Amino acid sequence: DTEVTQTPKHLVMGMTNKKSLKCEQHMGHRAMYWYKQKAKKPPELMFVYSYEKLSINESVPSRFSPECPNSSLLNLHLHALQPEDSALYLCASSPPGSETQYFGPGTRLLVL
Amino acid sequence: AQSVTQLGSHVSVSEGALVLLRCNYSSSVPPYLFWYVQYPNQGLQLLLKYTTGATLVKGINGFEAEFKKSETSFHLTKPSAHMSDAAEYFCAVTLGGGKLIFGQGTELSVKP
Repeated sequence: DTEVTQTPKHLVMGMTNKKSLKCEQHMGHRAMYWYKQKAKKPPELMFVYSYEKLSINESVPSRFSPECPNSSLLNLHLHALQPEDSALYLCASSPPGSETQYFGPGTRLLVL
Repeated sequence: AQSVTQLGSHVSVSEGALVLLRCNYSSSVPPYLFWYVQYPNQGLQLLLKYTTGATLVKGINGFEAEFKKSETSFHLTKPSAHMSDAAEYFCAVTLGGGKLIFGQGTELSVKP
């Protein structure tokens, strides 16, 4: 298995909903990342997990809550989002000792 | 602080023509450098990377890039454009620690 997978592909949620995004990789990578990407813009780093521990939080609002239950799985829990949070959410992972990040296909989120 | 500048938010070439996408970086030490491609409604795909060693780097789909320390550049080239090359291209740099700094992106259009 040589890819990063993300589910769901698309998600529509209301501002009072709670939902979760899921990211999985089975390549033995020990660093995993969440990015947010708005249309026609580069990805913006949100969180970095290294060996299942949160190592970087780029001052992301608390309505976004990351979780890394094991070395293969990364979740992003969403609660009380705002319409401006609508974006493509990308997950990435890196092999041990490497700075190269491999991206998943993303989840397109629409907040109504 | 690191930064990346991609010259030209939009580049248009004819099919079969040379593709040249420009990337300049600002860093106090030689960074790791990457080019990613993003097709519409997809994630980022790694085209090529420079970490150490040979300064001319070959990637997938016939692309290559040359690291020029004296010019702080990492321009992406392809000798002959194909219609399937139409996409958004991002240059990125990192000094390590998981933080990728992206350029603003260059949209490549290929005319028949």
